[in-house]
Amino acid sequence: KAGVTQTPRYLIKTRGQQVTLSCSPISGHRSVSWYQQTPGQGLQFLFEYFSETQRNKGNFPGRFSGRQFSNSRSEMNVSTLELGDSALYLCASSFGASRHEQYFGPGTRLTVT
Amino acid sequence: AQTVTQSQPEMSVQEAETVTLSCTYDTSESDYYLFWYKQPPSRQMILVIRQEAYKQQNATENRFSVNFQKAAKSFSLKISDSQLGDAAMYFCAYRSASNFGNEKLTFGTGTRLTIIP
Repeated sequence: KAGVTQTPRYLIKTRGQQVTLSCSPISGHRSVSWYQQTPGQGLQFLFEYFSETQRNKGNFPGRFSGRQFSNSRSEMNVSTLELGDSALYLCASSFGASRHEQYFGPGTRLTVT
Repeated sequence: AQTVTQSQPEMSVQEAETVTLSCTYDTSESDYYLFWYKQPPSRQMILVIRQEAYKQQNATENRFSVNFQKAAKSFSLKISDSQLGDAAMYFCAYRSASNFGNEKLTFGTGTRLTIIP
């Protein structure tokens, strides 16, 4: 079974631009969660989508948004990029009930210059 | 809100020896899950072991075992017969067992484990 895939793996953007990251979950998984990992703040939960609906949201500004498609693939978007948005963005997928395991993708390394 | 604390930023252990990584957490919930994740230099987050709070028996996965003390809100990871491939950042994480399917993981700050050959 293929694992969670994230594209692109690396990205360099300029302040003020916007960016879209993609996450394809494991086949059959309906939940996709996104996390931001930085040296200063550690791993922080961004949001979770289940069956195309945002089910939970972390404490991030409105510049961070996401969506999920009918095939469970998810995208997250960051508008008006700031230097502090430089991070590793991880997504995780699961069947969507709390007893189920979450599996992480390899991450997208975003650098904002 | 739940918090997870890992008080050991770095640990090292001789190959083939045993090491224990510490984790404490704070929650007002009675039903939850606890996890240890491993993040090697590749940055891929890998689940090592999980513990359901309602289970008194400590979870074990091959060389990895936990010491779960619910009353003390403590969840330590023991790695036996340490191997070079165990070198990684280890994160302790908490997840609510809400009936509504709360997938949010709350992570600790991590412990960097070095294996000495």
